[in-house]
Amino acid sequence: DQQVKQNSPSLSVQEGRISILNCDYTNSMFDYFLWYKKYPAEGPTFLISISSIKDKNEDGRFTVFLNKSAKHLSLHIVPSQPGDSAVYFCAAIKNSNYQLIWGAGTKLIIKP
Amino acid sequence: DADVTQTPRNRITKTGKRIMLECSQTKGHDRMYWYRQDPGLGLRLIYYSFDVKDINKGEISDGYSVSRQAQAKFSLSLESAIPNQTALYFCATSKRSQETQYFGPGTRLLVL
Repeated sequence: DQQVKQNSPSLSVQEGRISILNCDYTNSMFDYFLWYKKYPAEGPTFLISISSIKDKNEDGRFTVFLNKSAKHLSLHIVPSQPGDSAVYFCAAIKNSNYQLIWGAGTKLIIKP
Repeated sequence: DADVTQTPRNRITKTGKRIMLECSQTKGHDRMYWYRQDPGLGLRLIYYSFDVKDINKGEISDGYSVSRQAQAKFSLSLESAIPNQTALYFCATSKRSQETQYFGPGTRLLVL
């Protein structure tokens, strides 16, 4: 049973516009949610996180929104740049065991 | 220099062979992890270690073993490789009591 789901395998966005990546989860006991970015032939790189007690966290062009009632989070990238083209993974963690549970990833393509 | 290194980066082996994947880190983190990634799936946890004397099974530990030789080194062994262990393998580290994990570049393993 997938506890963290990213239902869009890919997303194409025009350069300069907003990219919105979505993630759903089933376990209400998760304490933190994280977004990672992955380029080909590299390991995932941490991007931004949010605690379950917050509903928004912002870092430069990246903002993560958490809707606990809907068990849904989203990553907004504004404005989108060509270097943002990568696979984005959503992950969740329970503080009790520090094990990350990962979504399958969404491939973001930024078109010039 | 990379903080988390993995060797080898690519490996081809035959069914039944024993192989070892190695991970080293210079981040000074206590915790280390091994994950595998299969196409279309998120990362899945194989084993994790919270310190040199603390080794724990993850979600998919069958067919794998690990050794934490020192705080900075964590190796993954496939005692008798089988084709469905063909995957991308990642090592990661984290600080005690922090949710963010930092990843190595990955090892691409092909079992024929």
